[in-house]
Amino acid sequence: DTEVTQTPKHLVMGMTNKKSLKCEQHMGHRAMYWYKQKAKKPPELMFVYSYEKLSINESVPSRFSPECPNSSLLNLHLHALQPEDSALYLCASSQLMAVETQYFGPGTRLLVL
Amino acid sequence: QKEVEQNSGPLSVPEGAIASLNCTYSDRGSQSFFWYRQYSGKSPELIMFIYSNGDKEDGRFTAQLNKASQYVSLLIRDSQPSDSATYLCAVWVMRGNKLVFGAGTILRVKS
Repeated sequence: DTEVTQTPKHLVMGMTNKKSLKCEQHMGHRAMYWYKQKAKKPPELMFVYSYEKLSINESVPSRFSPECPNSSLLNLHLHALQPEDSALYLCASSQLMAVETQYFGPGTRLLVL
Repeated sequence: QKEVEQNSGPLSVPEGAIASLNCTYSDRGSQSFFWYRQYSGKSPELIMFIYSNGDKEDGRFTAQLNKASQYVSLLIRDSQPSDSATYLCAVWVMRGNKLVFGAGTILRVKS
């Protein structure tokens, strides 16, 4: 089973709202990732967690705040977003944070008004 | 120079033909290479990965890797309309220790 789940599927929020995206995997993977994908562009890495510790932050604005409560869960907290943050947010996981295959969840499509 | 480069296409092939998708990368230390398929509005789906020089076959798909030329390709035999999608080449880049995606090639298979 290579399933990564994400909730919600769609999210519309105002620029003053606070919301969270959730990601879950039960494959025993110890690395989890957040990517952002704009239309007709490839996924761009935002954050990487390895063994529940933040390993990579790709200079993402502080209005995006990741959290890894345990080895199966990954959250992305959103606050004071801008319309240009509207995108598909993808969660992925892999056995380890190395050269391993990453499996993607279905994504959350976010619209910021 | 981009770390991973792909021709954006679209690449149009007739049903039943072989589709050939190409990708080049700049980091000579890269060891892992992946092909993902992405349908419009959906998330990337892994098709194949390849680590060693040469060919790797899985059903209708063949991945080819040439590390000396820093080139990786994906061949799709007997292309079907359902293969119409964007194909993303991804390379694990040692500098930065992360997966970097190419811009993707749009494939259209015409019935």
